[in-house]
Amino acid sequence: DGGITQSPKYLFRKEGQNVTLSCEQNLNHDAMYWYRQDPGQGLRLIYYSQIVNDFQKGDIAEGYSVSREKKESFPLTVTSAQKNPTAFYLCASSMPGQGSGELFFGEGSRLTVL
Amino acid sequence: EDKVVQSPLSLVVHEGDTVTLNCSYEVTNFRSLLWYKQEKKAPTFLFMLTSSGIEKKSGRLSSILDKKELFSILNITATQTGDSAVYLCAVKVKTGANNLFFGTGTRLTVIP
Repeated sequence: DGGITQSPKYLFRKEGQNVTLSCEQNLNHDAMYWYRQDPGQGLRLIYYSQIVNDFQKGDIAEGYSVSREKKESFPLTVTSAQKNPTAFYLCASSMPGQGSGELFFGEGSRLTVL
Repeated sequence: EDKVVQSPLSLVVHEGDTVTLNCSYEVTNFRSLLWYKQEKKAPTFLFMLTSSGIEKKSGRLSSILDKKELFSILNITATQTGDSAVYLCAVKVKTGANNLFFGTGTRLTVIP
């Protein structure tokens, strides 16, 4: 079945370490997104990519990096520069211009910094 | 600045009750408003609304948009424990690549 797969589902890291969250989709969607979700706050956009080899910063890109070398994959690296990285991270994809263009979400990755 | 505000932030009801969740917005170049349900992890799509006054319905859930007053409501009738979730409202604008703005969500808890 088509969908978005995020891994790992849970991740612990020590302060000062970089960590990479994986996001893979087989929906043939052009656009992919990374959101961060904190308690009491809406989803906030970290980075997005509308096409392979191109991506833009969202509202809270500082301390994060991404790449988009393949259409199916959009990994997110949480660097040691991110001051408050403990959060729930959601990856999404969409096909702009088709249907309602709604986002399809992965199951999320919960990162805890010890 | 574009913004989406949902209310209430949380709500606890008994099974069988009817609930109304609110979403108001202030954006430029409105295109559509979307509702999502997030039970544990991945938000799932419920409705997309683009026109005022036209109710979208799916089972016990329904939603309507008022583009003049800039808000939408999501109604759930005869609530069940399976309706317990965070309900997210998002507004899509016409311009810009980063064109989807989310509210904080309403956490609904339905108790038996």
